[in-house]
Amino acid sequence: EAGVTQFPSHSVIEKGQTVTLRCDPISGHDNLYWYRRVMGKEIKFLLHFVKESKQDESGMPNNRFLAERTGGTYSTLKVQPAELEDSGVYFCASSHRLAGGPDTGELFFGEGSRLTVL
Amino acid sequence: GQNIDQPTEMTATEGAIVQINCTYQTSGFNGLFWYQQHAGEAPTFLSYNVLDGLEEKGRFSSFLSRSKGYSYLLLKELQMKDSASYLCAVRAFYGGATNKLIFGTGTLLAVQP
Repeated sequence: EAGVTQFPSHSVIEKGQTVTLRCDPISGHDNLYWYRRVMGKEIKFLLHFVKESKQDESGMPNNRFLAERTGGTYSTLKVQPAELEDSGVYFCASSHRLAGGPDTGELFFGEGSRLTVL
Repeated sequence: GQNIDQPTEMTATEGAIVQINCTYQTSGFNGLFWYQQHAGEAPTFLSYNVLDGLEEKGRFSSFLSRSKGYSYLLLKELQMKDSASYLCAVRAFYGGATNKLIFGTGTLLAVQP
């Protein structure tokens, strides 16, 4: 079974440009999350999709960030225009809803997309 | 507010035992996770505690005390491949948005021969 895949693995852009990151969750996972790790700091929550709906976007830094999950499959995270402080590693994670039984809520993470804004 | 503390770095010897501590302050506590992350790779799930006590899984064990806001990850019979960053994360329940994890900065463990 394929894990969570993210593209690109590394992107280097100039301030003011646009970048779109893509995440393909594990097939069948309704929950999709975006997290970000800025250098030297902890991984921070950005937002959560349940299928195509935004469940919680309280962690989105500002309106330069736009996340979509059309059709409830893959998701994109667009940064426009990018600023220097947007540099970091953007992680995507997915999990599935469990019908009955204990819900460990285990998140499966992708390897991340490293964004460098110059 | 939400706060998670864990040591930044630790060093241990191959074959030994190491304990990585994590303290947290959060509202709506709904479970504590430990993840392992090798450099440049995805964080991978190690353990989950929601009730007080010890959860054992092979060489790894995790303990939780909710009243003290404290957890530890215990790694036994250390191997070189255990050198990685260990992330403590608390799940906070927001009335629907489960699995919103709050992470510590991670503990970088170096296992020496």
